[in-house]
Amino acid sequence: SQQGEEDPQALSIQEGENATMNCSYKTSINNLQWYRQNSGRGLVHLILIRSNEREKHSGRLRVTLDTSKKSSSLLITASRAADTASYFCATPGRNTGFQKLVFGTGTRLLVSP
Amino acid sequence: SQTIHQWPATLVQPVGSPLSLECTVEGTSNPNLYWYRQAAGRGLQLLFYSVGIGQISSEVPQNLSASRPQDRQFILSSKKLLLSDSGFYLCAWSDRQGGYGYTFGSGTRLTVV
Repeated sequence: SQQGEEDPQALSIQEGENATMNCSYKTSINNLQWYRQNSGRGLVHLILIRSNEREKHSGRLRVTLDTSKKSSSLLITASRAADTASYFCATPGRNTGFQKLVFGTGTRLLVSP
Repeated sequence: SQTIHQWPATLVQPVGSPLSLECTVEGTSNPNLYWYRQAAGRGLQLLFYSVGIGQISSEVPQNLSASRPQDRQFILSSKKLLLSDSGFYLCAWSDRQGGYGYTFGSGTRLTVV
């Protein structure tokens, strides 16, 4: 079952613009993670935000977490064509004792030159 | 540094044939290991996870099985493939706590014909 749901399903922007993707989840979590997947490749871990954190930065990435709304957002600033990929949020599944991650359906980002 | 190897990259198999996909991890000990499947344009579905040699947990009843004969080796198998087994299979590892995210292999594209 899906724990996270990303919104929008697809996003198309121009280089230099910012891209914002949202994730909603259903159960209590201790962390939330974002991953990137280039077409036909494995997933790459981008950033992990813990439940006691509200915002985290990594390079051009900014992640926010609102546990009261059970939602997170991923902002990519000054997008580049190389950012074209699918982005997934993931959270530990219910009753997990060792961080079994449950992934959302992803946001497909297209950055045009 | 830790690396994860997954092979083969692509596989075309007839219905009813057996399957063996292999995943190995280097540079770490006692990892948690995972097999995910991704249908076209969809999110990831957790199939199996393992916290140690010979310890396999199945998430979804199916035509597949997994084994962990060595600490850093994880194998996905089937005795008789079905058309519905087609998909993109991803192996991943994490540390015991999973607090630093998952590292994924490059994936195997399986087409059952």
